[in-house]
Amino acid sequence: DVKVTQSSRYLVKRTGEKVFLECVQDMDHENMFWYRQDPGLGLRLIYFSYDVKMKEKGDIPEGYSVSREKKERFSLILESASTNQTSMYLCASSTVGKSAETQYFGPGTRLLVL
Amino acid sequence: GNSVTQMEGPVTLSEEAFLTINCTYTATGYPSLFWYVQYPGEGLQLLLKATKADDKGSNKGFEATYRKETTSFHLEKGSVQVSDSAVYFCALRDSNYQLIWGAGTKLIIKP
Repeated sequence: DVKVTQSSRYLVKRTGEKVFLECVQDMDHENMFWYRQDPGLGLRLIYFSYDVKMKEKGDIPEGYSVSREKKERFSLILESASTNQTSMYLCASSTVGKSAETQYFGPGTRLLVL
Repeated sequence: GNSVTQMEGPVTLSEEAFLTINCTYTATGYPSLFWYVQYPGEGLQLLLKATKADDKGSNKGFEATYRKETTSFHLEKGSVQVSDSAVYFCALRDSNYQLIWGAGTKLIIKP
């Protein structure tokens, strides 16, 4: 089975802190994604990556950056956390081509910014 | 642009009741359609999918039929269980293989 793990389940940070969220997948997937999930808004794509060192902006990239130095690891960075970034963050991965339709998700990181 | 609209929750049902969660979409062409489920404390997982008109996806007693004429992909189950309590997301795949998500519908099943 595909396994996607995220470094923390719960995180509490203060406004202005730099925050790192880590995601690791063990299925050699090319594609990796970061979403945020907010009630009533569903999942919104922050960034995605098709390959090592490649990244593409999603729908809401402002205030975030990402890093993909190794194929299995995709990091989301909040350069200066703000209270409106309090949310559930979900990482996902998929293969390429038509099989990319199915994304495999980690359990999520619930971030609270005070 | 492409979009997915699903019924607002929460939806509260008694065990063994019939379930329908509505999902409609707006898209160019013929996108693949999906239902994902998020159980409490877990990540999302694919429940079922359909890739062309009139296809029926099914899994764990859930079904959804791709209706091109009504641009819908409603999720149904004949007899729900307490263990079906979760958040259900409808999604479509756009031409770039990205998933476009609905807002999610929370389902609560009472014993």
